[in-house]
Amino acid sequence: QVQLVQSGNEVKKPGASVKVSCKASGYIFRRFGISWVRQAPGQGLEWIGWISGYSGKTHYAQTVQGRLTMATDTSTSTAYMELMNLRSDDTAVYYCAKDANPLIPEPQMFDFWGQGSLVTVSS
Amino acid sequence: EIVLTQSPGTLSLSPGERATLSCRASQSLSSNSLAWYQQRPGQAPRLLISAASRRATGIPDRFSGSGSGTDFTLTINRLEPEDFAVYYCQQSGTSPTFGQGTRLEIK
Repeated sequence: QVQLVQSGNEVKKPGASVKVSCKASGYIFRRFGISWVRQAPGQGLEWIGWISGYSGKTHYAQTVQGRLTMATDTSTSTAYMELMNLRSDDTAVYYCAKDANPLIPEPQMFDFWGQGSLVTVSS
Repeated sequence: EIVLTQSPGTLSLSPGERATLSCRASQSLSSNSLAWYQQRPGQAPRLLISAASRRATGIPDRFSGSGSGTDFTLTINRLEPEDFAVYYCQQSGTSPTFGQGTRLEIK
């Protein structure tokens, strides 16, 4: 069965960086893109970026452009996101989510989600 | 950026009733690009509907989606206790966006 297992919760100071991993299993990793979606406490869902499992091509949201880097390691079927220069309003649960359709060169709808990783930014 | 506006913000109904949730887009969408999710407290979102009307695997047939262009609807017939949650619509493409959510609560 498809599973996305994320790394644990993190506490960071403003200005620091955080890296979250998302290990996939149960499907052919290279055929599907992975998006990252975040949810601030008590708030809605915000898409922040996507990476192709096949080509490594990325799309980033304007709100995090220049601070967010995404990557994949196809040998371990793992996706990573690194957010730099953290601010207090980056405090959120970060989810990875798998594209529902294979080999499409842009973000799709998301049929499987990781369990979420809470990133807390506080001085 | 395509803005999705969901209504109502909160819907109060009883088990067994029908829920009708709306999602309006700021510009016309391809029906293939509209999805609905359910999120229960403390859980990740779950895909319910893709391509505006296609139920995801394992989703009960009391959930149905409809609509086209800028107006889309999620209907939940015969509400069960586990259906009371927050529902989001989402449009896909180069820059996906989500609606702000509709909270379905027990009356």
